Formats: sequence, C-alpha cells, structure tokens
Amino acid sequence: QVQLVQSGAEVKKPGASVKVSCKASGYPFTNYELSWVRQAPGQGLEWMGWISPHNDSTTYAQNVQGRVTMTTDTSTTTAYLELRGLRSDDTAVYFCARVFSSSWAEFFDCWGQGTLVTVSS
Amino acid sequence: DIQMTQSPSSLSAYVGDRVTITCQASQDISKFLNWYQQKPGKAPKVLIYDASNLDRGVPSRFSGRGSGTDFTLTISSLQPEDIATYYCQHYNNLRQYTFGPGTKLEIK
Repeated sequence: QVQLVQSGAEVKKPGASVKVSCKASGYPFTNYELSWVRQAPGQGLEWMGWISPHNDSTTYAQNVQGRVTMTTDTSTTTAYLELRGLRSDDTAVYFCARVFSSSWAEFFDCWGQGTLVTVSS
Repeated sequence: DIQMTQSPSSLSAYVGDRVTITCQASQDISKFLNWYQQKPGKAPKVLIYDASNLDRGVPSRFSGRGSGTDFTLTISSLQPEDIATYYCQHYNNLRQYTFGPGTKLEIK
C-alpha cells in the first residue's frame, strides 16, 4: 500500500539546520509530487512547498523561501526537507504528503506520520 | 494572496446532530477547495476534494457544497469518531496551497 514514513524527532539550537526525510513506498515515486506541511503546537496547517521527484522542480511558500530546500533521491524513493537558520517559531510537526493531481482535482491523498522538530537553546 | 477563513473556530454538538462548517475565500476560487479531517496526534486525511466530491472510503454522512467564495462541509449525523479538527484547503494553478485556520469539533 502507499506509505510515507518520516524520520524521527529532532532537537536543534537556534540558528542550526535540520533535515527531515520522507521514505515513499507502494507507488511509482516519480509519478507524484510531494508537499511539505508543518503544524506548530496547537496551531493549524501551514503549507511549505512541493517538489517533483520527476525533474526536481520546486515551489516554496513565501514564508520559508530562502531558508528551505526540498530534494529527492529517486534511488531510495526518499524526499528531504532542509530548513536553515532555525528559530523558536520553527518548532512544529513537519509532514510530507503525496499530491494527487489530475485534470479535475488536486489534493493530498497520503501523509507521513509527522516529524517533531523542536528548536530550543 | 487569497485568504481562507473558517467559521466557527470551534463547535460543540450532540451525537446525531447535523453539523455544518463554513469556509470562505477572499476571492473567487471556483471549486478549487478540499476538506481535511485531523484527529489529535494524527496526520490529516482528505474527506472532500473539488468542493463536493467524497474521497474513497469516507462515510456518506460527510458532504461538501459551494463554489466561488463560500463553501460548506456538513456532517449529517454526528458520530463520536468525528471528533477532530477540520481544515479547508485552496489550491491554484501554480500548485500553491492555502489552508484555512481550522474548526475544532467536540461532542457535548
């Protein structure tokens, strides 16, 4: 079955970088884009950007542009999210999500379990 | 940028009640609107896509309506397992996505 499995929780100091992984299985990896979404404690969902494993094209949300890099490794069917210059307000659960896209619909049809990133001195 | 709002921000209802959550866009988004359910400690799950289409396996008590700027998600008969936070999501032709702030649903 389609599955996205993310790496474990991270604790980082302000100013550091973090790299979260998302291992995909159960479908052709390059056929679907992957989005990253984060959720601060007790808050709502915030879309961060997407990447196409087919050609590595990306689109990043304005709120993280310049600090975020999304990449994929097709040999291991894994997507990565790197966030630099961490601040306390980057403390959140980070989700990867597969994007179902067709001529008539577009939505996130499968999600990873989430990775808690805590930024604290 | 298009802004999404939801009302109410929280809602308490009895089992068996009909529940309606509203999502409003700051400008016309046609039917480019999805609904997600997120249970505590879990990842979100899509319920409705393109404003009114039920995803596979989603109970038929869930329904979505609307187009343009005003959308609704309705649960026809609230069940205990429906306790969750519900989010609307807009997407555009640039593959950019915006979530609403969420509606937390509780049982009375």
